[in-house]
Amino acid sequence: DAEITQSPRHKITETGRQVTLACHQTWNHNNMFWYRQDLGHGLRLIHYSYGVQDTNKGEVSDGYSVSRSNTEDLPLTLESAASSQTSVYFCASSGDRPGTDTQYFGPGTRLTVL
Amino acid sequence: AQTVTQSQPEMSVQEAETVTLSCTYDTSESNYYLFWYKQPPSRQMILVIRQEAYKQQNATENRFSVNFQKAAKSFSLKISDSQLGDTAMYFCAAGSSNTGKLIFGQGTTLQVKP
Repeated sequence: DAEITQSPRHKITETGRQVTLACHQTWNHNNMFWYRQDLGHGLRLIHYSYGVQDTNKGEVSDGYSVSRSNTEDLPLTLESAASSQTSVYFCASSGDRPGTDTQYFGPGTRLTVL
Repeated sequence: AQTVTQSQPEMSVQEAETVTLSCTYDTSESNYYLFWYKQPPSRQMILVIRQEAYKQQNATENRFSVNFQKAAKSFSLKISDSQLGDTAMYFCAAGSSNTGKLIFGQGTTLQVKP
């Protein structure tokens, strides 16, 4: 069965360190998304990609970057981790109509920045 | 810009009873879609129901149905015969082909009591 996996599932890091969260999907979807989930805010979009070599900023992109070198993977990098980036991070992918097709989510990564 | 508002942070219902979760949205898009996602304690986001705005008929999926009031920009979720497994956080979301993204509400935590 097709799926989205995220690794690691839990991560503790220190302020100022670079962190990369992995996202891998086997849906063969062109569209991939990264969200963060915080109490009272729901899910907020960090970055998204509509295909290989395409990346776009979402509403909370400061301090984050992504790259898309193949269809399956969209790693999220925190360039210099800050305590404000402590959150749960979700990766998602969708079919050919972004914004209207169902998004399928990974299990999430809980990141703690000390 | 699209906005989605869920005004009920927490709700509870007795097992086998019916409960309605509220969602209002605002959009300038003419062709948009609305979604309800469920996030159980496992954190996995699961699609509950999807509604195409141009369809007047309310979407249903087994015990889950929506009351879509387009003029009022309201998209409530009704859960009939509530089960303990329905205990979760529920997110309302709106998306369109023009924006290519989903906007999520803040979430409603639902507890089903035995």
